[in-house]
Amino acid sequence: EIVLTQSPGTLSLSPGARATLSCRASQSVSSSSLAWYQLKPGQPPRLLIYDAASRATGIPDRFIGSGSGTDFTLTISRLEPEDFAVYYCQQYGSSPPRTFGQGTKVEIK
Amino acid sequence: QLVQSGAEVKMPESSVSVSCKAAGGTINSYAISWVRQAPGQGLEWMGGIVPIFDTTKYAQKFQGRVTITTDESVSTVYMELSSLRSEDTAVYYCARDSEFGELRGWFDPWGQGTLVTVSS
Repeated sequence: EIVLTQSPGTLSLSPGARATLSCRASQSVSSSSLAWYQLKPGQPPRLLIYDAASRATGIPDRFIGSGSGTDFTLTISRLEPEDFAVYYCQQYGSSPPRTFGQGTKVEIK
Repeated sequence: QLVQSGAEVKMPESSVSVSCKAAGGTINSYAISWVRQAPGQGLEWMGGIVPIFDTTKYAQKFQGRVTITTDESVSTVYMELSSLRSEDTAVYYCARDSEFGELRGWFDPWGQGTLVTVSS
């Protein structure tokens, strides 16, 4: 089973700042099979990025996914008020099971 | 769009069944997975079903306790979890797998979530 470790656990930033979230895999994720989700209280997860760098339909271009192998990054180029949430990475290169990271909370500083 | 059944409160050792209906369409071509989030915890894949082939896969952690079935006539997938314990208190989500006919890939869209509370 591939273990995903996200860092930092919490990111305290101001609106307009740049956020950089890391997701590290315990072994190489084949074919860059990694997705990112945004989760807000009372709402289901929202797919942001798939295949490490492809934005899902309707996702603003301030969300940028990158990386390969064992190291992946989600960058939010300029934080909007609605971006403060918890973000999860998920790998699907090795399944079952597909696994998630433990999440990074982006909070308002 | 996936629409789930409402919140449940269950006694320890009992079972719960949560439904997931594909509103306005059919689900038989894509797999449907179940993912849960316990309070203060992350997301956890439990298992899934490919309705068109009626095949299932379950995470090892839930083997023997979870059963996922489908009723294609009403475009609904069911997840039943038995021998409930307090640690099963969580929000349970259904989600469509991205790969046609396989339990693979990312998850999109998601149901709205169903809170299951296990308490005596």
